[in-house]
Amino acid sequence: NFMLTQPHSVSESPGKTVTISCTRSSGSIASNYVQWYQQRPGSAPTTVIYADNQRPSGVPDRFSGSLDSSSNSASLTISGLKTEDEADYYCQSYDSSNPWVFGGGTRLTVL
Amino acid sequence: EVQLVESGGGLVKPGGSLRLSCAASGFTFSDAWMSWVRQAPGKALEWVGRIKSKSDGGTIDYAAPVKGRFTISRDDSKNTLYLQMSSLKTEDTAVYYCTSRVWSGYSPLDYWGQGTLVTVSS
Repeated sequence: NFMLTQPHSVSESPGKTVTISCTRSSGSIASNYVQWYQQRPGSAPTTVIYADNQRPSGVPDRFSGSLDSSSNSASLTISGLKTEDEADYYCQSYDSSNPWVFGGGTRLTVL
Repeated sequence: EVQLVESGGGLVKPGGSLRLSCAASGFTFSDAWMSWVRQAPGKALEWVGRIKSKSDGGTIDYAAPVKGRFTISRDDSKNTLYLQMSSLKTEDTAVYYCTSRVWSGYSPLDYWGQGTLVTVSS
């Protein structure tokens, strides 16, 4: 089994850019797609990035996803931060033995 | 518009049973891989189990904590996903979300329901 490790929390000011990392413990980060979910307080999660760097319809282009093979990690970058971006963010991936693996989640505070 | 609507949550005693349902619309349900994900109060998301589409073999997989106690099934004629939970424990208390994984080529796109709360308590 592999694990996905995220920072517990990040904070940044409105208008700035923030990056949340998701490091895979074993196996290549590039071997299976990574998804990112946003969960605002009191709401269900929604997908903001799928297949490493694809945005679902309706997700603003301020959200982007990328991979870094050197650190075996995926990243979610949010630019032009807005107060509405304040939420928990979860990365997710899989392999042939583990259909869904979640990261522990990152609390984004926009202050 | 994709819609996933869970129902069936509630309060149940330890050792009891409960069946959750998820009514789907807005996409080709029979082609989707469906999962249940739960979230205990104040905790992270936890995958519960998944059922593939029949065309992909209909395979069902479960997370270790629920294997042998929970059963996932689907009725493609009703566009509905089910989660039968038995031998419930207090640690199964959580909001249970239904998700649909729609494949765009080889790219997985997940949709989420609004969740239903299951409370296991005496």
